[in-house]
Amino acid sequence: DGGITQSPKYLFRKEGQNVTLSCEQNLNHDAMYWYRQDPGQGLRLIYYSQIVNDFQKGDIAEGYSVSREKKESFPLTVTSAQKNPTAFYLCASSMDESGNTIYFGEGSWLTVV
Amino acid sequence: GQQVMQIPQYQHVQEGEDFTTYCNSSTTLSNIQWYKQRPGGHPVFLIQLVKSGEVKKQKRLTFQFGEAKKNSSLHITATQTTDVGTYFCAVEKGYSTLTFGKGTMLLVSP
Repeated sequence: DGGITQSPKYLFRKEGQNVTLSCEQNLNHDAMYWYRQDPGQGLRLIYYSQIVNDFQKGDIAEGYSVSREKKESFPLTVTSAQKNPTAFYLCASSMDESGNTIYFGEGSWLTVV
Repeated sequence: GQQVMQIPQYQHVQEGEDFTTYCNSSTTLSNIQWYKQRPGGHPVFLIQLVKSGEVKKQKRLTFQFGEAKKNSSLHITATQTTDVGTYFCAVEKGYSTLTFGKGTMLLVSP
């Protein structure tokens, strides 16, 4: 569980504004992920990154963007193009991409009004 | 892509009763993982099953992987209020990510 820090934990934004969620890990993990959680929907993959300066779209990447300039950091930007941005966002990491255990941060609650 | 069906979506039990959640796939799985998410919290890894027919136990929790590696179950014996939460199974999608089931929410009444 420890070693992955997400901020902020709670965030309110007006519709039409971009917002960036921070995710930092000190586990020396190669792979990092962003998931979105909605009630009754489980966890859905937004983006993932296996190595610095490289990332791939997940199942619901539209309206989101990411960067991976450092191994420790994988910020997620929720853009104004995301139709329903209000959700619980979870950042995660794993040792590598080969199906290893995923460790989650504590999550960020984003509410767009 | 790889999908898993998890049932039931929700279960409410009295403390001391048993609980089981099932995860089913239409395709053969290389492995399956189980996670628990407490209310208001984040998912936490419980276990990974790899071998056909594998059974693993963690105190009151018993995890099984089907012989055909297409289904798995998590059984809790004599539930306690501390077992409350949502239990997710997760399977590899492609070679690099996990796909999660929709989860089973467990509520335990004292």
